[in-house]
Amino acid sequence: NAGVTQTPKFRVLKTGQSMTLLCAQDMNHEYMYWYRQDPGMGLRLIHYSVGEGTTAKGEVPDGYNVSRLKKQNFLLGLESAAPSQTSVYFCASSPSRGYTFGSGTRLTVV
Amino acid sequence: AQSVAQPEDQVNVAEGNPLTVKCTYSVSGNPYLFWYVQYPNRGLQFLLKYITGDNLVKGSYGFEAEFNKSQTSFHLKKPSALVSDSALYFCAVRDRLISGNTGKLIFGQGTTLQVKP
Repeated sequence: NAGVTQTPKFRVLKTGQSMTLLCAQDMNHEYMYWYRQDPGMGLRLIHYSVGEGTTAKGEVPDGYNVSRLKKQNFLLGLESAAPSQTSVYFCASSPSRGYTFGSGTRLTVV
Repeated sequence: AQSVAQPEDQVNVAEGNPLTVKCTYSVSGNPYLFWYVQYPNRGLQFLLKYITGDNLVKGSYGFEAEFNKSQTSFHLKKPSALVSDSALYFCAVRDRLISGNTGKLIFGQGTTLQVKP
């Protein structure tokens, strides 16, 4: 049972490049979330989804887009990366109360 | 608005001593409260949660937390700390009134626990 799997684990981007982070869960959870973790700021919600085909903005959505075409996958896209998007990104899924987290993606934008 | 505060950036305790990591919250409705732990270069792991019922909640690895509605607090405790408890701890809240069916959690900024031998 893999739980929540994030790919890639590490990535270095140049300013202006684009990329997609993939989150996959095998627990049949309805809810999925993307957070970013920055020192001293805890985890901040970027976007979330309450079911297949639905997405919604979180606390810090600017510069990111998401898609949930299949229930088990939640994709986070950066169209034009900026140094301010250097962070550790965590995906989580939930049946309704409490999360299961992936191991994170460390992204550096230079 | 919902918010969570962890007033201490770091807590230092000696191995074998009791530990407390503080958390206070602000919500409009009744809260769901959570504690998560993060070890270096790892994702967050669930420790315990308060949904309803007994104010003292017991969780993984010997941790417990007490829900205090009047003080809007949910402090994490352990009677005897281990060096292996050293990690980053996050408190989180879900406001049942505001979050509705979204399941969204709001996280505190985290507290680093350092247990010294």
